[in-house]
Amino acid sequence: QSVLTQPPSVSGAPGQRVTISCTGSSSNIGAGYDVHWYQQLPGTAPKLLIYDNYNRPSGVPDRFSGSKSATSASLAITGLQAEDEADYYCQSSDSSLSGWVFGGGTTLTVL
Amino acid sequence: EVQLVESGGGLVKPGGSLRLSCAASGFTFSNAWMSWVRQAPGKGLEWVGRIKSKTDGGTTEYAAPVKGRLTISRDDSKNTLYLQMNSLKTEDTAVYYCTTRTHWGQGTLVTVSS
Repeated sequence: QSVLTQPPSVSGAPGQRVTISCTGSSSNIGAGYDVHWYQQLPGTAPKLLIYDNYNRPSGVPDRFSGSKSATSASLAITGLQAEDEADYYCQSSDSSLSGWVFGGGTTLTVL
Repeated sequence: EVQLVESGGGLVKPGGSLRLSCAASGFTFSNAWMSWVRQAPGKGLEWVGRIKSKTDGGTTEYAAPVKGRLTISRDDSKNTLYLQMNSLKTEDTAVYYCTTRTHWGQGTLVTVSS
């Protein structure tokens, strides 16, 4: 049972928009901790996709965007491409656990 | 170019020990807060623990499942992060990544099995 809750899977056709939710609580996202998103392609290490709620590292396409409100956050991907098929994880910090917490991960399938 | 290269993984029996290393380059390692994150086969990401930079106190924090068994340390003179793993359990089987959050290593596999 992960501290942050994500849907196990989402899917969309090429060119479409999908969103992945990340729900926390008052001890993590609701406490004001930033949310970060990672993309993990099959067989590879995670890659930082969004940091501090909505910022993109250099090289990440602007098709990826993040948002945060109250005790939840979302990752939006527009103009879906086959190469976006991956697992996506949200991550924050938690005051009661004194460290990072992750969502359980969401598998994106491009139909 | 930032590089994080883990090593030291392998097969170990329950109750055994192992030490992982993470060699860092391409950034000022001594200023970085470093974390270990693991991923059991077919499962999601799990934070293991973190060590702050010495200028920020050099203190460590651990996830509950590993507290008292796993120890994170650093050698800034060698730009290397360590994870000492003692009293290993089968549920510690995972790929272990070192990370600054922005950058991740390729991971090293630890298998705990009799």
